[in-house]
Amino acid sequence: DAGVTQSPTHLIKTRGQQVTLRCSPISGHKSVSWYQQVLGQGPQFIFQYYEKEERGRGNFPDRFSARQFPNYSSELNVTALLLGDSALYLCASSSGTGREQYFGPGTRLTVT
Amino acid sequence: TQLLEQSPQFLSIQEGENLTVYCNSSSVFSSLQWYRQEPGEGPVLLVTVVTGGEVKKLKRLTFQFGDARKDSSLHITAAQPGDTGLYLCAGNRGNTGKLIFGQGTTLQVKP
Repeated sequence: DAGVTQSPTHLIKTRGQQVTLRCSPISGHKSVSWYQQVLGQGPQFIFQYYEKEERGRGNFPDRFSARQFPNYSSELNVTALLLGDSALYLCASSSGTGREQYFGPGTRLTVT
Repeated sequence: TQLLEQSPQFLSIQEGENLTVYCNSSSVFSSLQWYRQEPGEGPVLLVTVVTGGEVKKLKRLTFQFGDARKDSSLHITAAQPGDTGLYLCAGNRGNTGKLIFGQGTTLQVKP
């Protein structure tokens, strides 16, 4: 079975632009969580979606938004990009409440 | 505020040595996971511990959850170069989809 997939792999954007990152969970998994990992640190929780509803939100500004589609795939959208948004964005899927999460390879976002 | 503190942050050892990584918190977690991450890749789940005092083994890796469910340890016996990577502990409070990660321990095993 395919694992969690994310696209694109790498992305370079300019300050002020917006970006959309995509994630497909493991088949059968209904929960998707998004994390931001800055170099040298552990991942920081951004959002969780379960059955297309937002179930949790981390300490991130309103420039960050997400949604989940009927097929359980998800998009993370970030507007008005700042240099500090440069990071590895990770998507994780889980079958239930999210205790055990399986991560995708991530999208490396560079903001210049 | 870092809810989960990992130590040490960096570890460089020779092949065949043993090591222990610690993950400590003042908060209680309903479960705790350990992940290993290679550069440029996503974390890979190694183990989940749920019960206080629980011990799980995965080949040469031994994981323990503290009795009070506030801390955990990862012990590697006879480390090999293939064990090199970033080890992350992550706690879950209330079985939600929000994992709280430690800052990670970078392990380098030299042949």
